[in-house]
Amino acid sequence: DQQVKQNSPSLSVQEGRISILNCDYTNSMFDYFLWYKKYPAEGPTFLISISSIKDKNEDGRFTVFLNKSAKHLSLHIVPSQPGDSAVYFCAAKGGNTGKLIFGQGTTLQVKP
Amino acid sequence: GAGVSQSPSNKVTEKGKDVELRCDPISGHTALYWYRQSLGQGLEFLIYFQGNSAPDKSGLPSDRFSAERTGGSVSTLTIQRTQQEDSAVYLCASSFGSPLSGNTIYFGEGSWLTVV
Repeated sequence: DQQVKQNSPSLSVQEGRISILNCDYTNSMFDYFLWYKKYPAEGPTFLISISSIKDKNEDGRFTVFLNKSAKHLSLHIVPSQPGDSAVYFCAAKGGNTGKLIFGQGTTLQVKP
Repeated sequence: GAGVSQSPSNKVTEKGKDVELRCDPISGHTALYWYRQSLGQGLEFLIYFQGNSAPDKSGLPSDRFSAERTGGSVSTLTIQRTQQEDSAVYLCASSFGSPLSGNTIYFGEGSWLTVV
């Protein structure tokens, strides 16, 4: 049972435009959501997070939006840069456990 | 060290052999996680250690997989009688305290396991 889903395996965007990466979840107990970025042959690195008590969190070019009623979150990158090209994972946790459940990842390619 | 350290970085083993993967978390981090990523797949949770509490082993795929964490620091993931489907990159991560508090989780670069 895939509790966190990233339905788009890949996304291609022109440099300077907005990148929107989507993530859906099924478990209403999730209360904290994170986005990680992963370059080839490296471990994932933390990007941005959001608590379920918020609907938006912004950090520089990165903004995460949370729609709890739709069980949907998205990561906006604007303006996109070629260095943003990587695999992006969304993750969620909830309840009394610290266990993070990850989505399958979306490969973002930003073209110069 | 400055980050999460994993060894070996690459391991090729014959089917049926046992392997051990090691993780040195960031000093002072009480939470430690193991994930794996098979080719073309997402990050799959394996096991989670938090302080002295009993580990959450709910992600271990079979009884061939086990992990321990000695002294609240270094962790070893052991795979017995390896199978080809065990081929993946095994990622270790750590955080200061429980992520319930929103603490950032830091990943190592992974141990790439190939079973031939």
